[in-house]
Amino acid sequence: SQQGEEDPQALSIQEGENATMNCSYKTSINNLQWYRQNSGRGLVHLILIRSNEREKHSGRLRVTLDTSKKSSSLLITASRAADTASYFCATGGQAGTALIFGKGTTLSVSS
Amino acid sequence: EAGVAQSPRYKIIEKRQSVAFWCNPISGHATLYWYQQILGQGPKLLIQFQNNGVVDDSQLPKDRFSAERLKGVDSTLKIQPAKLEDSAVYLCASSLDRAMNIQYFGAGTRLSVL
Repeated sequence: SQQGEEDPQALSIQEGENATMNCSYKTSINNLQWYRQNSGRGLVHLILIRSNEREKHSGRLRVTLDTSKKSSSLLITASRAADTASYFCATGGQAGTALIFGKGTTLSVSS
Repeated sequence: EAGVAQSPRYKIIEKRQSVAFWCNPISGHATLYWYQQILGQGPKLLIQFQNNGVVDDSQLPKDRFSAERLKGVDSTLKIQPAKLEDSAVYLCASSLDRAMNIQYFGAGTRLSVL
């Protein structure tokens, strides 16, 4: 079953704009991760935020986590055409348990 | 460092035929996963191995799917017989750290069942 639900399902923006996508989940988590998938490729890990963290940055990426609302957001600043991809949130439970992926947000960045 | 290797990249078969996919994880990664990704959806876990033992196969359709990881390194996923609804991308991933479980994915095998 899929735990995370990303919103929006699809997002189209211009180069240089910021892109924000959200993820909601249902059960308690150990950590939440975001992955990117380019068309026809495997998933690539972007960033991980632990359940006791509220915000994390990595380059142009900013992730927030609100465990009281069971939600997370991924912000990509100054988007580039190369950011065009599908983005998935994945929740991790107890150590050793598998991640559960959401359905993803498809981001299109036009130049 | 070499990534997760999968083969073949593409496979087209007719329903009721059998098919097998192969995965070689990143060296040293004890945990290996097989996922099914249907078009427009996120990956769904089929089976998780820790070394050569099965940790979670609760979502594996065991009447037609089987997987093994002999010697705790590479792995094979088999479907026999295939159904139309098995058309999907089959992704293999591996992980070094079970606690945080950051996963490294292969490029996947795209299966079309006609």
